Amino acid sequence: DAKTTQPPSMDCAEGRAANLPCNHSTISGNEYVYWYRQIHSQGPQYIIHGLKNNETNEMASLIITEDRKSSTLILPHATLRDTAVYYCIVRDSGGGADGLTFGKGTHLIIQP
Amino acid sequence: DADVTQTPRNRITKTGKRIMLECSQTKGHDRMYWYRQDPGLGLRLIYYSFDVKDINKGEISDGYSVSRQAQAKFSLSLESAIPNQTALYFCATSDPTSGRAVTQYFGPGTRLTVL
Repeated sequence: DAKTTQPPSMDCAEGRAANLPCNHSTISGNEYVYWYRQIHSQGPQYIIHGLKNNETNEMASLIITEDRKSSTLILPHATLRDTAVYYCIVRDSGGGADGLTFGKGTHLIIQP
Repeated sequence: DADVTQTPRNRITKTGKRIMLECSQTKGHDRMYWYRQDPGLGLRLIYYSFDVKDINKGEISDGYSVSRQAQAKFSLSLESAIPNQTALYFCATSDPTSGRAVTQYFGPGTRLTVL
């Protein structure tokens, strides 16, 4: 699996867009980018995933660069409840069946 | 009701004791997982199961065993607990037919302390 690099922590003002970067320079052609988050010791929660194209759902948007070596998760209007650790994970579409590999993620703190 | 439940939610035990953590799911998923999380770190995979007859070791299986009693139930056992097994334990499920194989659904976690 391709490894990912994320900043250990970030701050964002409430109501503003939170942009969380992830580097995955060794990603291979069949690997997807997945984002999960974990709110203070709760079970991780799936947010979004993508392969090449940008994706959007009710929780967030995912922007993947054309060379696929990096991506950005965007929370468009961050709220205090978005304070959490965000994990960027790269796996192929058939993988993850044997479990996910979580790094240390980015601790996003939303400031009032 | 939660789709993935874990019992107990908190447990304090002593070194050498046998302990079982239980996970139940109502999602109808075939695949189930056990992870542990140590403070400040990400989750690490202990065991996973593709169905009742298929159980596989993960990254850190030593000192643990599992039992898949039914599609909906997956238990993790510590035969002889030791202090460095103090951690937060999560159960998860996934559905290979969903088209999103790595979308995993996690339980609320069990906080285990071994004295």
